[in-house]
Amino acid sequence: NAGVTQTPKFQVLKTGQSMTLQCAQDMNHNSMYWYRQDPGMGLRLIYYSASEGTTDKGEVPNGYNVSRLNKREFSLRLESAAPSQTSVYFCASSEGAGVVATQYFGPGTRLLVL
Amino acid sequence: AQSVTQPDIHITVSEGASLELRCNYSYGATPYLFWYVQSPGQGLQLLLKYFSGDTLVQGIKGFEAEFKRSQSSFNLRKPSVHWSDAAEYFCAVGEGGSYIPTFGRGTSLIVHP
Repeated sequence: NAGVTQTPKFQVLKTGQSMTLQCAQDMNHNSMYWYRQDPGMGLRLIYYSASEGTTDKGEVPNGYNVSRLNKREFSLRLESAAPSQTSVYFCASSEGAGVVATQYFGPGTRLLVL
Repeated sequence: AQSVTQPDIHITVSEGASLELRCNYSYGATPYLFWYVQSPGQGLQLLLKYFSGDTLVQGIKGFEAEFKRSQSSFNLRKPSVHWSDAAEYFCAVGEGGSYIPTFGRGTSLIVHP
């Protein structure tokens, strides 16, 4: 039982390049989330998926797109990377929806945009 | 909308000493309150949560937190810190209508041997 896995662990991009961050969970959870973590700012929600087939914007969605490929997988795409997107990205999942649901986090992807 | 403040950016304690990390929130009704821990290079892990009932909440790894409505606080405590407790700690607050909690900026705990 691996929990929540994320690939890649590290990535360096040049401004304007695109990439997809992958996330998978093996806990049969319904809800999945993408966050970014910047120094001194805590976690901010980019997008979430309450259930397979649905996605919704979070606090900071601009410059990102997501795909809930199936119940296990939730990917985050940067179409044209910008230096402001340098951050650590975390994927999370929860069995239920709403603020009371316990979220389980992956180890993160560290992204540097030059 | 709710907000959460962690006034201390860094806290340094000696191994074996007691620990208290502060968290204050702004919300009118009774909020949902959480503490998460992030070890170096890892994702966040839930330590404990408060929704209702007994205001003293026990969590994993020997941590506890107390909800004080009069002070709008939810401070995290541990009686004796171990070197492995060195990590980043995040307080989070949510309300019934929100989808996820709002996270504080985090407090970095440094443990001296």
